[in-house]
Amino acid sequence: DVKVTQSSRYLVKRTGEKVFLECVQDMDHENMFWYRQDPGLGLRLIYFSYDVKMKEKGDIPEGYSVSREKKERFSLILESASTNQTSMYLCASSLRGGANVLTFGAGSRLTVL
Amino acid sequence: AQSVSQHNHHVILSEAASLELGCNYSYGGTVNLFWYVQYPGQHLQLLLKYFSGDPLVKGIKGFEAEFIKSKFSFNLRKPSVQWSDTAEYFCAVISGGYQKVTFGIGTKLQVIP
Repeated sequence: DVKVTQSSRYLVKRTGEKVFLECVQDMDHENMFWYRQDPGLGLRLIYFSYDVKMKEKGDIPEGYSVSREKKERFSLILESASTNQTSMYLCASSLRGGANVLTFGAGSRLTVL
Repeated sequence: AQSVSQHNHHVILSEAASLELGCNYSYGGTVNLFWYVQYPGQHLQLLLKYFSGDPLVKGIKGFEAEFIKSKFSFNLRKPSVQWSDTAEYFCAVISGGYQKVTFGIGTKLQVIP
């Protein structure tokens, strides 16, 4: 069964802390994505990557960075967490071209105090 | 930039009622269109997709959607909803040669037994 695993389901951090959200997929997918999901705002794309060491900004990249050193792993980094980054973060992956159907992880709920 | 509009943010229906959720997208070129569903406490998952060919596509659990290019629309329908259809539904689009998937803000469907 295909799988996208987000290592942390719930995190509570303080303002100014550095936060790492990890995502691993076991499907050999080229594309990986980070979205945040907020009530009334839907899913908004933060960053995506279409290959190792490649990254593209999404619609709301400010305050975030990403790392993709290995094909299966895509990390989201909040250099200095702020309260407006309290959200549900969803990782997804897909094959390049063709179907582009996203497989999602369970999500990481981050609360910044 | 591509964008997706979902017109109904919260829909309440009785069981056996018919459902139609609206979705419009902004891009005028070649598009791939999707509906994803998030059941309470579960991952986002694909409901159905349109890439080419027959503009009426059928998905899981009796859902279907019609791609109308002239109206830039991809509305989701189901003739008779069940309580188990209670979920949040997201329309999504990929346009041009990009891998970026853009989502609408979602529609929460509540089905009353």
